[in-house]
Amino acid sequence: QKEVEQNSGPLSVPEGAIASLNCTYSDRGSQSFFWYRQYSGKSPELIMSIYSNGDKEDGRFTAQLNKASQYVSLLIRDSQPSDSATYLCAVERGNQFYFGTGTSLTVIP
Amino acid sequence: DAGVIQSPRHEVTEMGQEVTLRCKPISGHDYLFWYRQTMMRGLELLIYFNNNVPIDDSGMPEDRFSAKMPNASFSTLKIQPSEPRDSAVYFCASSLTLGTTFFGQGTRLTVV
Repeated sequence: QKEVEQNSGPLSVPEGAIASLNCTYSDRGSQSFFWYRQYSGKSPELIMSIYSNGDKEDGRFTAQLNKASQYVSLLIRDSQPSDSATYLCAVERGNQFYFGTGTSLTVIP
Repeated sequence: DAGVIQSPRHEVTEMGQEVTLRCKPISGHDYLFWYRQTMMRGLELLIYFNNNVPIDDSGMPEDRFSAKMPNASFSTLKIQPSEPRDSAVYFCASSLTLGTTFFGQGTRLTVV
């Protein structure tokens, strides 16, 4: 079982819609959770971190964490074509840090 | 700060040759990571250092791969001998804490 699992997509949403990206993790001892965005041909960049159950909002982005279900999600409101990228979920557990394989998002104008 | 600096940006080499990738982390960051990214396997952690000391090298695929961090501002990843299956984008990254990681622009390695 992989430490972090994501649906590879591709996920397509129309401009202005809400994009929902999901991630599950295998170890209940995981402590910190991160979303990275990677444009094609570029390096990953951190967009959100979340450490406790519930929602965390930053502009058009909302990260949601449910430790009981071992589930992390990222919602992008009012999706823009510039949001088209691969979104990587990452999980920290002790001295270990794991990335998922990413979900490709395309926002259609 | 200029961010994490990697060199070279692109490397094409013949099978069997030695390849050395270089990285300068962000000043003050205690953690340095080497990742490899391919379409098939995604982003894989190869090794990471904390305060110049290797902490976890379990991701290094085999003995052909080695990494060093002689000081806080420089690290190398060496592949000797290189093989076509090593072709990938190699990222160096640094952070103050695990998770909030800043990536370099990557080195695209092609072994022919």
